[in-house]
Amino acid sequence: AQKITQTQPGMFVQEKEAVTLDCTYDTSDQSYGLFWYKQPSSGEMIFLIYQGSYDEQNATEGRYSLNFQKARKSANLVISASQLGDSAMYFCAMREPNNDMRFGAGTRLTVKP
Amino acid sequence: DGGITQSPKYLFRKEGQNVTLSCEQNLNHDAMYWYRQDPGQGLRLIYYSQIVNDFQKGDIAEGYSVSREKKESFPLTVTSAQKNPTAFYLCASKAGIYGYTFGSGTRLTVV
Repeated sequence: AQKITQTQPGMFVQEKEAVTLDCTYDTSDQSYGLFWYKQPSSGEMIFLIYQGSYDEQNATEGRYSLNFQKARKSANLVISASQLGDSAMYFCAMREPNNDMRFGAGTRLTVKP
Repeated sequence: DGGITQSPKYLFRKEGQNVTLSCEQNLNHDAMYWYRQDPGQGLRLIYYSQIVNDFQKGDIAEGYSVSREKKESFPLTVTSAQKNPTAFYLCASKAGIYGYTFGSGTRLTVV
C-alpha cells in the first residue's frame, strides 16, 4: 500500500518567520494527488493545498506553498510569515488510485510569539 | 451553507454497549468515509461508501458497522466487538478528485 511519511512529530517557529513541514510518499503510480490539511485543536480538518502529480508548477495558496520534488517523492509544505493561528496539527495525504486518501502521522506546529 | 454535520460532538459509551455516530452531508457528494484518529496519530480508514447501498471495509473495520441507505447519510456504529473504541472519529465526503470535506468530528470515550 502507498505510504506517507512525516518525520517531524513537532516543529517550532517564531512568529512572522517561514517554516517547512516535510512529507515524503511512496507510490508506483504515475497519477496521484498530494494534499495538506490543517487540524486545529477543535478537531476539524481544513484543506490547505493540492498538488497533482502531473502539475509542473508548485502549488501555492496564499501563505501556503507546496515544494513538490517528484523524483525525490517529496511534497513539503512551506508556510510563510507564520501567525499564532497557524499553531495546529498538519497532515500530508495522498490520493490513491481508487481515489481514497492515505494520511501521514502529522506534524504539530507551534508558533512562538 | 453546504457541509458535513457530525453528531454528537462528544459521546460516552459503557462497556459492551453499541453506539451510533451520525454523519449527514448536503453537498450532494457520492462518496463518504469514516476515519478514526488516536491521540498524536494520523487518520485511519474504517469504512467508505462510493454509492448508496454499497460500502467497503477500510484498514480497521473490525468492530464497526455502517449503512448507506440515503446519499446524504452514512452512520457509523461502534459495536461491543470493538475493544478499544476511545478515539476521535471523522466523517468525510468527496466529489471528484480534489480532496475531501470533513465534518467536525465526534469524540468517543468508553466509561
